[in-house]
Amino acid sequence: DTAVSQTPKYLVTQMGNDKSIKCEQNLGHDTMYWYKQDSKKFLKIMFSYNNKELIINETVPNRFSPKSPDKAHLNLHINSLELGDSAVYFCASSLRRPGQGNTGELFFGEGSRLTVL
Amino acid sequence: RKEVEQDPGPFNVPEGATVAFNCTYSNSASQSFFWYRQDCRKEPKLLMSVYSSGNEDGRFTAQLNRASQYISLLIRDSKLSDSATYLCVVYHSSASKIIFGSGTRLSIRP
Repeated sequence: DTAVSQTPKYLVTQMGNDKSIKCEQNLGHDTMYWYKQDSKKFLKIMFSYNNKELIINETVPNRFSPKSPDKAHLNLHINSLELGDSAVYFCASSLRRPGQGNTGELFFGEGSRLTVL
Repeated sequence: RKEVEQDPGPFNVPEGATVAFNCTYSNSASQSFFWYRQDCRKEPKLLMSVYSSGNEDGRFTAQLNRASQYISLLIRDSKLSDSATYLCVVYHSSASKIIFGSGTRLSIRP
């Protein structure tokens, strides 16, 4: 039974399109994250939500819009896709938010590999 | 300067060898430290936390040097299955962020 699941696993699309990636965790965690891993394998935080509230919003173009309908779900919508958006997007969760007894352990989904042509 | 820096490698060592790599961090207020492992085309997974006094988990030993702001990972008697990218992770509450290094690639050859 997958703890953090993301869909789709692979996404190939044309420049200018809009796409969404969905994430769900069944661990009962309070906090969820989106990370982007580029071709150089650098894993960079994009957003974090704690109990549906946005707590981290890094310098990300506003074409990226996260949505958390409840604490078990965190979706990522991307408008007007660009070539540079090609990457693997990882969803993750942690028991609590950073600063509130968070041990720092993150549980990652398998990643969604986005290719923009 | 990056907040968390690692030698990208690759480290290419024979099976059975001992290998070590370091990671430096820039924020002296960083509180917690971890090593994650990421296999090719897979998600990162927690390998071990790094405690102030150093800690060991089987063949893996992690050390923290706060004065010099680095952490290290030592792998003894390396196995083929240890081939992966090892990510250094730093957490500091002031920034409320968990920050990943870009990883050190390790390849164990038979």
